[in-house]
Amino acid sequence: DQQVKQNSPSLSVQEGRISILNCDYTNSMFDYFLWYKKYPAEGPTFLISISSIKDKNEDGRFTVFLNKSAKHLSLHIVPSQPGDSAVYFCAASGGGTSYGKLTFGQGTILTVHP
Amino acid sequence: DGGITQSPKYLFRKEGQNVTLSCEQNLNHDAMYWYRQDPGQGLRLIYYSQIVNDFQKGDIAEGYSVSREKKESFPLTVTSAQKNPTAFYLCASSPRDRGPYNEQFFGPGTRLTVL
Repeated sequence: DQQVKQNSPSLSVQEGRISILNCDYTNSMFDYFLWYKKYPAEGPTFLISISSIKDKNEDGRFTVFLNKSAKHLSLHIVPSQPGDSAVYFCAASGGGTSYGKLTFGQGTILTVHP
Repeated sequence: DGGITQSPKYLFRKEGQNVTLSCEQNLNHDAMYWYRQDPGQGLRLIYYSQIVNDFQKGDIAEGYSVSREKKESFPLTVTSAQKNPTAFYLCASSPRDRGPYNEQFFGPGTRLTVL
């Protein structure tokens, strides 16, 4: 049972344009959401998070939007840069899940073309 | 310079052998986690520990074992009972100052290949 889903395996974007990565979840008890960026053969690095009491959180070029009624979140990267090319994972935690446990989506490969 | 260390980066073992993956952190984090990543899949939780001398099974604990004798260390043993051990293994840690609302910090990973 995949509780966190990233339905787009890959996304290709031109440098300078907006990248939008999507994530859906099924567990209504999730109340904290995170985005991680991962390069091949490296560990993921934390990008940005949002709690369920907000619908938007912004950090520089990265903005995360949360739509609780639709159980959907998205990560916007503006403007996209070639160095943003990586795999992006969304993750969720909180509520009825085990303390501090994160549930990850399958990841989306973002390629930003110069 | 705080961080999480995993060693070795690449590990090869023969089928049927147990192997232990190292994870050390000097971030003074209470919680530590082990994940595995397979191609085209997200990170799946193997074991986690919220405090020294205590650990819990994650979603795919079968064939694995852990110990948490020190706050800084959380080694993972991949036993011969694990049917498909070849994968990329990631260790993570997190503080507990915001309850369950803390991000996890990851190590660089160990690529295990069983021949």
